[in-house]
Amino acid sequence: AQSVTQPDIHITVSEGASLELRCNYSYGATPYLFWYVQSPGQGLQLLLKYFSGDTLVQGIKGFEAEFKRSQSSFNLRKPSVHWSDAAEYFCAVGPGGGNKLTFGTGTQLKVEL
Amino acid sequence: SAVISQKPSRDICQRGTSLTIQCQVDSQVTMMFWYRQQPGQSLTLIATANQGSEATYESGFVIDKFPISRPNLTFSTLTVSNMSPEDSSIYLCSVELAGGYQETQYFGPGTRLLVL
Repeated sequence: AQSVTQPDIHITVSEGASLELRCNYSYGATPYLFWYVQSPGQGLQLLLKYFSGDTLVQGIKGFEAEFKRSQSSFNLRKPSVHWSDAAEYFCAVGPGGGNKLTFGTGTQLKVEL
Repeated sequence: SAVISQKPSRDICQRGTSLTIQCQVDSQVTMMFWYRQQPGQSLTLIATANQGSEATYESGFVIDKFPISRPNLTFSTLTVSNMSPEDSSIYLCSVELAGGYQETQYFGPGTRLLVL
């Protein structure tokens, strides 16, 4: 069965600092990997996705993520965090093709000004 | 991507009643899904809404409690029946687009439900 672990429940960073959110997955084949962001009172917005090819993927809002098969990881990074990035971030894995996504428990990001 | 709307955006309901949530997409989509996000929790898939046939439910979710309709390729409803306080959650629909956007799910804004 597929599963996703986000080991950090809460992370606090200062505005302008770099950010890395961790995501580890368990999946039997090559996974489809996603990062979503949920701002307070909002739905989920897709930040980026990995299907195949280049293991470093670029997303919206200056985010990027790197797929490391050997570590079963898909960590999200941003070089300089803005106060508006404060939100909850979810990593998800799925086989694609109309099959369900399995979500991690989320990481709540707080940005200090 | 697609523009996905949900109605209502939020509601407060009494236990024992039912609420129907609507999900509307501005383009035809191949797949529609319904998720539940309980307070402080992650998202859990309730069911896949199949156009023209019965929904496919995940383990732990049953049709009597969460009946789903999908009359066409742009619309679906989820009903939360005989509600209890444990049903207080955010309910989100998601869609998987056809063509070049396959394999990716896009989410609606969610319906925030509080059951008293």
